[in-house]
Amino acid sequence: SQTIHQWPATLVQPVGSPLSLECTVEGTSNPNLYWYRQAAGRGLQLLFYSVGIGQISSEVPQNLSASRPQDRQFILSSKKLLLSDSGFYLCASSSSTDTQYFGPGTRLTVL
Amino acid sequence: GENVEQHPSTLSVQEGDSAVIKCTYSDSASNYFPWYKQELGKGPQLIIDIRSNVGEKKDQRIAVTLNKTAKHFSLHITETQPEDSAVYFCAASWASGTYKYIFGTGTRLKVLA
Repeated sequence: SQTIHQWPATLVQPVGSPLSLECTVEGTSNPNLYWYRQAAGRGLQLLFYSVGIGQISSEVPQNLSASRPQDRQFILSSKKLLLSDSGFYLCASSSSTDTQYFGPGTRLTVL
Repeated sequence: GENVEQHPSTLSVQEGDSAVIKCTYSDSASNYFPWYKQELGKGPQLIIDIRSNVGEKKDQRIAVTLNKTAKHFSLHITETQPEDSAVYFCAASWASGTYKYIFGTGTRLKVLA
């Protein structure tokens, strides 16, 4: 079975600072990868997904970007954080089937 | 566009009672329906799923039913325990290669001891 790692677990950043969140996957190859954001007490909003290295699809226009430099590595970035970027960021992976497995998440607070 | 409605948003039950959460989807092409349990501060965990060629699936105290004609599916938890307290999300997906999900808005389940 696959295991999804995310770091950092928590992050507090000032407005206007850059962001880099990392997600790595073990136990599978050539997975589909996803970034979600979850506002406090809310549902899951799909931000980006990737079906392969260098292939990124954006679901919503925003202040964030994603990259996939390696098969099992997915990175979420921003050049300048906004207050509205605060939330719980989740990485998910699916491979060969349509079942998505989630990582433990990163809690981002922008002050 | 595709949409998944989930009800109720909150549910309180006494320990030992059953809990039922319902979801309705809009896209008739949807063919895969997973359910996730999310505990506070953690990532969602898959608890059960069902495909469109099956009407019901059971795993110990948890079951899911699917009515394709009505385009709705439900999660049933029997003999609830305090550790079942969490937020539950339903989702719908369709075979497209991207395996994208449309999630419901979540149900906060509280099991009262």
